[in-house]
Amino acid sequence: QVQLVQSGAEVKKPGASVTVSCKTSGYSFTDYGISWVRQAPGQGLEWMGWISGYNGNSDYAQKFQGSVTMTLDTSTSTAFMEVRSLRSDDTAVYYCTRDEVYVPGYFDYWGQGTLVTVSS
Amino acid sequence: QSVLTQPPSVSAAPGHNVTISCSGSSSNIGNSYVSWYQQFPGTAPRLLIYDNNKRPSGIPDRFSVSKSDTSATLAITGLQTGDEADYYCEARDNSLSVVFGGGTKLTVL
Repeated sequence: QVQLVQSGAEVKKPGASVTVSCKTSGYSFTDYGISWVRQAPGQGLEWMGWISGYNGNSDYAQKFQGSVTMTLDTSTSTAFMEVRSLRSDDTAVYYCTRDEVYVPGYFDYWGQGTLVTVSS
Repeated sequence: QSVLTQPPSVSAAPGHNVTISCSGSSSNIGNSYVSWYQQFPGTAPRLLIYDNNKRPSGIPDRFSVSKSDTSATLAITGLQTGDEADYYCEARDNSLSVVFGGGTKLTVL
């Protein structure tokens, strides 16, 4: 069965960076992409960006260009997202999702979420 | 302010039908497939509808979507207490890549 298992909760200080991992299984990693979606406490869903498992092409939401980097390790079927220069309003649950391979589309499987808390 | 507009909340009694609207523009819904997600408190969202009106395996046909020009509507028939959740619409956007609606809280009275 398809699974996306994310790394554990993080607490970071403002200005720091965080990397969230997403280990996938149950499907061919290079046949799909990975999108990252975040949800601030009590708020809605926000798409952050997408990376293709086939060729590593990526597409970031304008808001996150320059502060977020998405990468892959195809040898372990794992996706990573680094968020830099964290601010308090980056406190959120971050989800990795399985997406389409050539362009972002829809998200048919979701990780369990990783809570990132940014606090001094 | 979300690019796609949804009502903050809707409610209906068990057994009744309810609709949730999602309004966008020609740069997103008007030119793209729409997807819908259901989220229970404290859990990850799950895909409910994709490519406008396709249901993943396991999603009952009580859930359906109609799309018209720059808007889409999720319809849930025969409401059950287990349908009480937050619902989000999503679409590709020409300029912004992927956009979500702000979410709608469904209360089953």
